[in-house]
Parts: sequence; structure tokens; C-alpha cells
Amino acid sequence: RKEVEQDPGPFNVPEGATVAFNCTYSNSASQSFFWYRQDCRKEPKLLMSVYSSGNEDGRFTAQLNRASQYISLLIRDSKLSDSATYLCVTTGNQFYFGTGTSLTVIP
Amino acid sequence: ETGVTQSPTHLIKTRGQQVTLRCSSQSGHNTVSWYQQALGQGPQFIFQYYREEENGRGNFPPRFSGLQFPNYSSELNVNALELDDSALYLCASSPMPASSGGTVTDTQYFGPGTRLTVL
Repeated sequence: RKEVEQDPGPFNVPEGATVAFNCTYSNSASQSFFWYRQDCRKEPKLLMSVYSSGNEDGRFTAQLNRASQYISLLIRDSKLSDSATYLCVTTGNQFYFGTGTSLTVIP
Repeated sequence: ETGVTQSPTHLIKTRGQQVTLRCSSQSGHNTVSWYQQALGQGPQFIFQYYREEENGRGNFPPRFSGLQFPNYSSELNVNALELDDSALYLCASSPMPASSGGTVTDTQYFGPGTRLTVL
């Protein structure tokens, strides 16, 4: 069983839409959680950390549900520049990445 | 920019050859991790180096080896290349080791990667 599972998509949404991604993880002892963004043929870049209380950064909101072992990312008012692959990450003694969810924002 | 650099950017090798990839960590970071990212997959952890010693290893065979130097830069060596080794190899640096009491304590910042093609 994979440590982290994500719906690979693709998600194709119009500009201005709200889109949500979910991710589940298998290790209940995981301590830290992150969302990374990866543009085509580029390196992953940290989007935001995910805290138990939930956290928001502008149009982006991340939430963690430890009981159900899932992490979510909500993007409001989607922009064309949000088009990318979003990687869910959990940690234990290493970083575990999901396969990523592809988002395309359409004009 | 993260300040993590990698070289070369692209590399083409043939099956059975050996390759060395290089990484310079961000200033102030003493930990370097290496990842392999195959097309359509998330990055897979190869190993991590902290203060010139291996500090954790993923599910990769011994022909994947590494080094870290006193200036915290690092090398990834792959021997006896196979076709399936074709991937993007990413280096990430962080200011703390991944295992601090058994848990990751800090964010990792990635370099631009080296794209390796094995023919």
C-alpha cells in the first residue's frame, strides 16, 4: 500500500472556479504534512505546510483530518497561473510524496 | 529561487554505464536528500546525508550511492545504469536532518533537478 494516495486528475476548471484536492495517507504516526506545487518539467516548490487547525494563505486553504488520515487543499478564484501538479507530502523518517494531482485552469 | 543548484541539467548515458550527479545545498543547510522522479510519478526518496554521513535510505539498490562533503554539497552515484533509471533526479536541502527523534522536522527545498536518460 502506498504511503500517500492522490487522485491524479486531471482537473480542468474555468478561471475563477473553486477546486479541491484530497489526499490520504497510511501512516497514522505521520507528523508533518505539506502541499508542494510542481510545474511541468520543473522542481517541486513548497506551497504550504498543513497544520491540524487548518491554515490559509490567500486563495489557498489546507486542512488536515488526523482521524480519517486525509489532507485537503482548496483553491478559490482559480487563476491561469495555478495550472500545475499539486503534490501531497507526509513525513515519518523521510518525505513521502503522492503521485500528484494535475490542475489546468482554462480561460 | 531556493539556492539549491544541481549539475548537469541533462545527461544521456547508455545501459551499464556509471553516472555522478552533483548538488550544492542552500546556504545554512547541512542536510541533503536525493529523490528520483519517474515520469508521471511523485518523487521517491533515495537517501539523505547529514554531516557527511548517510542518514536514512529509501528502497533503492546499493548501486545507488552518495557522498556529502564538508561544505555540505553532495553527489549521487549510480552504477550499472538500467533503462528504468531514466528519470528526473532531485536534490533537496534542509536545515535539519530528517530524523530528529524519528520525525521530519523541517521543510525541504528542491534544486532544479538533473534529467537522466538511459539508452
